[in-house]
Amino acid sequence: GQQVMQIPQYQHVQEGEDFTTYCNSSTTLSNIQWYKQRPGGHPVFLIQLVKSGEVKKQKRLTFQFGEAKKNSSLHITATQTTDVGTYFCAGDNYGQNFVFGPGTRLSVLP
Amino acid sequence: DSGVTQTPKHLITATGQRVTLRCSPRSGDLSVYWYQQSLDQGLQFLIQYYNGEERAKGNILERFSAQQFPDLHSELNLSSLELGDSALYFCASSVSWDRSYEQYFGPGTRLTVT
Repeated sequence: GQQVMQIPQYQHVQEGEDFTTYCNSSTTLSNIQWYKQRPGGHPVFLIQLVKSGEVKKQKRLTFQFGEAKKNSSLHITATQTTDVGTYFCAGDNYGQNFVFGPGTRLSVLP
Repeated sequence: DSGVTQTPKHLITATGQRVTLRCSPRSGDLSVYWYQQSLDQGLQFLIQYYNGEERAKGNILERFSAQQFPDLHSELNLSSLELGDSALYFCASSVSWDRSYEQYFGPGTRLTVT
């Protein structure tokens, strides 16, 4: 079945450093979504990517969908303590499956 | 606040018991999803209902069942509970049956099976 992997599993950064998490699917995706879950909270939708090679920005966050639509990345520039949490990608393969990745847990040291 | 409500917040019960978790979607949303989140398995999709009908099934055990009522609230029933069922159970809602639409998650129910 469809598998979605994320690396790294954990990332510790100093405040002000950049951070990137990568999401890889075993199958081609129709779209990919990114969610953020703060410690003790619930997942919150960040963005959806649909087109091959698509790049979207939200302030310090840059999301990218690979050309083959099997991978994606989330890059945070100049991390802040408010960025702490777990970042999940979720891939949809044309309605057959919708699978969340295991997440990347980000901690930011002040 | 996502607008999705879940009750109860916490639930502690013994092995072999049965519990019911409740979810009310955001106003106007017709789809309800159930997820299980445990430490070692991330977010596991269990089941989706759309406008009262089962729409998609994920890794839901036979001991678990769900339904969506005419007022669109949903219940997840877990029976013959085992220690391994201890987890956070999230409900999410969206406007469409299409899972590519943004999902709004509730605060979750933490289930502890002792």
